[in-house]
Amino acid sequence: SQKIEQNSEALNIQEGKTATLTCNYTNYSPAYLQWYRQDPGRGPVFLLLIRENEKEKRKERLKVTFDTTLKQSLFHITASQPADSATYLCALNSGYALNFGKGTSLLVTP
Amino acid sequence: SQTIHQWPATLVQPVGSPLSLECTVEGTSNPNLYWYRQAAGRGLQLLFYSVGIGQISSEVPQNLSASRPQDRQFILSSKKLLLSDSGFYLCAWSVRGRSQGAYEQYFGPGTRLTVT
Repeated sequence: SQKIEQNSEALNIQEGKTATLTCNYTNYSPAYLQWYRQDPGRGPVFLLLIRENEKEKRKERLKVTFDTTLKQSLFHITASQPADSATYLCALNSGYALNFGKGTSLLVTP
Repeated sequence: SQTIHQWPATLVQPVGSPLSLECTVEGTSNPNLYWYRQAAGRGLQLLFYSVGIGQISSEVPQNLSASRPQDRQFILSSKKLLLSDSGFYLCAWSVRGRSQGAYEQYFGPGTRLTVT
């Protein structure tokens, strides 16, 4: 069966450091992979989309890599800030649907 | 600009009562529409999606149903709620196109449903 795995343990890092979150998947051949941010009690907010033929994509302090051989995406936040504290979800397309991982909680402390 | 509305924001309903949650989108035409549920400590579960008026696809068999009476209106319903229906219900829309994964989804503010 198709699986999307994100580290269930919360990631705690110090302000200013780089946060790296991992998304692994099995039994998918996605053409696209997306990352979202979700704050408590709110709906997810789209951050970045990367295509299978793109190795890396950047947006401001965010960077996403996509390795279709390893079936893995890495999500980096450089110069992290307390405001970056949230849950981050990766998502893969399956037909018309997007399947989401359970997310990794990030806590950035001052 | 596009906006997505959901109501109500919170709802407390007894077991066995009916349910109707509404979602409307503004500022776009012919969107794909989605209903998700997020239970406590669990990930987003896709419940239904729609690619057009009257076209509903169900991802998970359950006592819920969905309807799309207008292009930008999506309704989630139940005739009799179960305790397990408690959760955070999210509506989302995306641009309609040939490659669905190529388009991001935009989520509404959600409805917190507690079934007692």
